[in-house]
Amino acid sequence: KQEVTQIPAALSVPEGENLVLNCSFTDSAIYNLQWFRQDPGKGLTSLLLIQSSQREQTSGRLNASLDKSSGRSTLYIAASQPGDSATYLCAVRSMDSSYKLIFGSGTRLLVRP
Amino acid sequence: GAVVSQHPSWVICKSGTSVKIECRSLDFQATTMFWYRQFPKQSLMLMATSNEGSKATYEQGVEKDKFLINHASLTLSTLTVTSAHPEDSSFYICSASSPGPAAVYFGPGTRLTVL
Repeated sequence: KQEVTQIPAALSVPEGENLVLNCSFTDSAIYNLQWFRQDPGKGLTSLLLIQSSQREQTSGRLNASLDKSSGRSTLYIAASQPGDSATYLCAVRSMDSSYKLIFGSGTRLLVRP
Repeated sequence: GAVVSQHPSWVICKSGTSVKIECRSLDFQATTMFWYRQFPKQSLMLMATSNEGSKATYEQGVEKDKFLINHASLTLSTLTVTSAHPEDSSFYICSASSPGPAAVYFGPGTRLTVL
């Protein structure tokens, strides 16, 4: 059974810092991995999608890497801003007929002005 | 990117009543839709997977007679919480994807409060 873990569970940093969020998964048989952002009381916003054949994806100040063989992904946020404060979730798409998206427990990020 | 809508965005109901939540893919055909629930400060828990025209597949521990899912068309799936009780109060989120392991797009969520 696929399990997804995210560390740290919470992170508080001053504005301007570069930071790394970690995601690990137990079964490397995945189609892709997605990073999402969730603001309190809101739905999810997709940030980056990495296919299993890819090593990384970049969008603006965000860079996500994927090492499928070791079951790890990182989300790098450069020059953090208070507006980046949110919960960040990673999810893997399972390689079975249901294409389930299995979520980690998330990292709550607070960027202090 | 693709847009998924949910209606209503929030609902308050009395214990014992049924509530229907709609999930629509606005600009693509969603052959698969997923329903999640989320408790405060917790991650998303997959409830069921529905494929257009077939019965939903429920995750272990989810009562299919309580959470009725219908995926009658390629753009609409509904979740009906039957005989709702206060413990059913939660944030319900749907997601939709095109055929195969494509990107998944999420709706804005529906907050259900059962009094």
